[in-house]
Amino acid sequence: EVQLVESGGGLVQPGGSLRLSCAGSGFTFSASWMTWVRQAPGKGLEWVANMNQDGSEKYYVDLVKGRFTISRDNAKNSLYLEMNSLRAEDTAIYYCGRNNLPYAFDTWGQGTMVSVSS
Amino acid sequence: QSALTQPPSASGSLGQSVTISCTGTSRDVGGYNYVSWYQQHPGKAPKLIIYEVTKRPSGVPDRFSGSKSGNTASLTVSGLQAEDEADYYCSSHTGIKYVFGTGTKVTVL
Repeated sequence: EVQLVESGGGLVQPGGSLRLSCAGSGFTFSASWMTWVRQAPGKGLEWVANMNQDGSEKYYVDLVKGRFTISRDNAKNSLYLEMNSLRAEDTAIYYCGRNNLPYAFDTWGQGTMVSVSS
Repeated sequence: QSALTQPPSASGSLGQSVTISCTGTSRDVGGYNYVSWYQQHPGKAPKLIIYEVTKRPSGVPDRFSGSKSGNTASLTVSGLQAEDEADYYCSSHTGIKYVFGTGTKVTVL
């Protein structure tokens, strides 16, 4: 079974840092583009960042550029999101997703909640 | 990059059809045939139901169909069933990034 499991969310103060992880299983992780998408409480989906199979291409939504870093470890079948200088507006459920179909996210994790508050 | 525009809500009776629009620009929806649609039930992760404007992933019922004209994409749910009540989001590739729609809550009457 293809599966993605996120972890690492929690409560952090404004200006703080957090590292999210996403473990993939049931598929060839190293063959897939991977993505982070977030959803603020009661709001819609927002694409955050993605990267290609070997990590040579990374793209970010403007709102997080310079503060968030996407990375992966194909040996561990894992995707990461390093989040620095966190703001209240970064509060959201963060989902990792797989791009196995052309320009679409065919598999999603259950999400991990990040709360930025003092 | 601004979010794609969707109506906040849509509704239809059991067995009827509902169509949701997703309006963007020539830099996203109109420029690429890379529009996808996602269904999200409360408290759950999104689920892909349409990709590349009209294609359905394996396991998605053919009651779900997609189309596009110019800068506007559409999702039609035919033969509405109770379990179709959910939030629906469109998404488009923009050449290097992605943008989602504002979301539409579908109610089955």
